[in-house]
Amino acid sequence: KQEVTQIPAALSVPEGENLVLNCSFTDSAIYNLQWFRQDPGKGLTSLLLIQSSQREQTSGRLNASLDKSSGRSTLYIAASQPGDSATYLCAVTGANSKLTFGKGITLSVRP
Amino acid sequence: NAGVTQTPKFRILKIGQSMTLQCTQDMNHNYMYWYRQDPGMGLKLIYYSVGAGITDKGEVPNGYNVSRSTTEDFPLRLELAAPSQTSVYFCASHKPGTYQETQYFGPGTRLLVL
Repeated sequence: KQEVTQIPAALSVPEGENLVLNCSFTDSAIYNLQWFRQDPGKGLTSLLLIQSSQREQTSGRLNASLDKSSGRSTLYIAASQPGDSATYLCAVTGANSKLTFGKGITLSVRP
Repeated sequence: NAGVTQTPKFRILKIGQSMTLQCTQDMNHNYMYWYRQDPGMGLKLIYYSVGAGITDKGEVPNGYNVSRSTTEDFPLRLELAAPSQTSVYFCASHKPGTYQETQYFGPGTRLLVL
């Protein structure tokens, strides 16, 4: 059974800091890995998707990497801003496009 | 496109009552999913469907039922509501074979069972 782990559960950083969010998964037989953002009381927004054959994806200040063989992914956020405060969820895609989610990392960026 | 819509946004149920959570997508996606999210937890898959007339159980199906009579709609039925079903419910849809392969999520239905 696939398990996705995100540690720590919460993180607080000062504005402007570069930061890395970590995600690990137990079964390397995945189709892709996604990072989602969730604002309080809202739904999920897909930030980055990395296909199993890819190593990384970039979008603006965000960069996500994937090491499928070791079961790890990182989300790098450059020059963090208060608007980046949210919960970041990592999810891997298995058979029938079913997603297995981690519990998320709640990020707070202090002005 | 409206994307994925869910109704209601919030509902309070008494123990033993039943209700249907509605989900509709207008993107002609074959695959649809129901997840629940408990506080401080990730999302867990309840049921999914790969097309009209086809449904299957996910990780936590007990206490729920689904149907898929059309491509657009994927309602989730709660029979005999229990406090353990207090959660936020998200519906999602997906079209396999597209480049991005991402799932699109609705805004969620917050359910409180008392």
